[in-house]
Amino acid sequence: DAKTTQPPSMDCAEGRAANLPCNHSTISGNEYVYWYRQIHSQGPQYIIHGLKNNETNEMASLIITEDRKSSTLILPHATLRDTAVYYCIALFSGGYNKLIFGAGTRLAVHP
Amino acid sequence: EPEVTQTPSHQVTQMGQEVILRCVPISNHLYFYWYRQILGQKVEFLVSFYNNEISEKSEIFDDQFSVERPDGSNFTLKIRSTKLEDSAMYFCASRIQGPGGYTFGSGTRLTVV
Repeated sequence: DAKTTQPPSMDCAEGRAANLPCNHSTISGNEYVYWYRQIHSQGPQYIIHGLKNNETNEMASLIITEDRKSSTLILPHATLRDTAVYYCIALFSGGYNKLIFGAGTRLAVHP
Repeated sequence: EPEVTQTPSHQVTQMGQEVILRCVPISNHLYFYWYRQILGQKVEFLVSFYNNEISEKSEIFDDQFSVERPDGSNFTLKIRSTKLEDSAMYFCASRIQGPGGYTFGSGTRLTVV
C-alpha cells in the first residue's frame, strides 16, 4: 500500500471550512484513498473514501487531484466536536487488506 | 446505524493472567480485525480474520495471542499470559466485501497491573 504524508497538526476556527491535505504520490491505480478520524481515545471513525472522482457525504467532501497524487478532506463547517486526529490511508480495497494508520493530522477546532 | 460492539469497555487484570476481549461485528460483514493502541501511540494492526481463519497477522501477534469466532456472531481476542506492555486500547473492526468502510468498535481498555 502506498505511503501517505500528512501535516502533523492544523488549526481551524469554528464554523469555517477545514481543509486537510494528504500526499500519496506513489498510489497505484487500484488503491483507494480512505479518511478516518479518531476523537480522543475512541475507535477510529470512517469518514469517506474515493478512487479518482470527488466524493461527498454528510460528513465531508473528498477532493482527489487528477493525477491522484494528493487529496484534500474538507469539513465544510467545522465544529468543536470535529477536533480529532485525521488519518489518510491508501489501500487496495480487495480481500482482507488491513488499514495501516500513520500519525495523522491533529486538527484543533477553536471557538 | 449498525455498530461493532466491544465488551468489556475496561478490564484490569494481573500480570500473567489470561484475558478474553469480546466483539460482536456487524452481522453481514465478512472480514474481522483486531487493532491495539498503546497510550499516546499509533493504532497498530494485530490480526485479520476471514472465512474462519487468520488471513494475516502482525509481528505483535505472537503465540500468546489467539482469535476465535466461536458461534458466528462473536469475535474474540485472547491473551494467554498478560504482560505489563499489553496495557492498551484494543479495537475490533469489521467490514463487508468490497471497497466499503471498515467499522470500528469503541474499544476495550486493558490495564495489566
